[in-house]
Amino acid sequence: DSGVTQTPKHLITATGQRVTLRCSPRSGDLSVYWYQQSLDQGLQFLIQYYNGEERAKGNILERFSAQQFPDLHSELNLSSLELGDSALYFCASSTRLEGGELFFGEGSRLTVL
Amino acid sequence: AQSVTQLDSQVPVFEEAPVELRCNYSSSVSVYLFWYVQYPNQGLQLLLKYLSGSTLVESINGFEAEFNKSQTSFHLRKPSVHISDTAEYFCAVSAPRQDTGFQKLVFGTGTRLLVSP
Repeated sequence: DSGVTQTPKHLITATGQRVTLRCSPRSGDLSVYWYQQSLDQGLQFLIQYYNGEERAKGNILERFSAQQFPDLHSELNLSSLELGDSALYFCASSTRLEGGELFFGEGSRLTVL
Repeated sequence: AQSVTQLDSQVPVFEEAPVELRCNYSSSVSVYLFWYVQYPNQGLQLLLKYLSGSTLVESINGFEAEFNKSQTSFHLRKPSVHISDTAEYFCAVSAPRQDTGFQKLVFGTGTRLLVSP
């Protein structure tokens, strides 16, 4: 158990819909990262937050957005969903700013039909 | 920007045989290097990391990796694999951002290690 909690574990929805994925980081970790894992794209970094502020942005689509709340949990919002958005979405957290280990949750599997 | 190349998408081996999973990186600055392992239906777990110091790093379950700056490589090795080592292995690189100091971890495409009896 990494200490990072992600909900829901599985989600099935239709194209055009909007979903929210939730992540609770390990106790004490200020950094939250979101990654997308798909068969064709591999593991792609989406976005990072540190203590409520966006710090790094990767290959995140404009249809996707994220935020980190004062209690440090984070949400990833995916809108106008397309079939290609079907993937495993991972949240990870860390405490150190550099060279620190990332602790991953078990992921949220999104299926868009 | 940093990038990671894992040339082997899948490596089949027999139990108790040695294995090497290859990882090459590209970066214009000093980097930190990591190997993560993903067992079926689980998230990624850190296997080992190189931050500085000794170029040979080891994990608690018998894996080791050697940082080779001249060859820009960080290959993962194990002298004798077990069935339980069957998993996907990801090499990753990070470097401090010049402006904020925050790191971004870039992953390779992964290598699936298949250990059979």
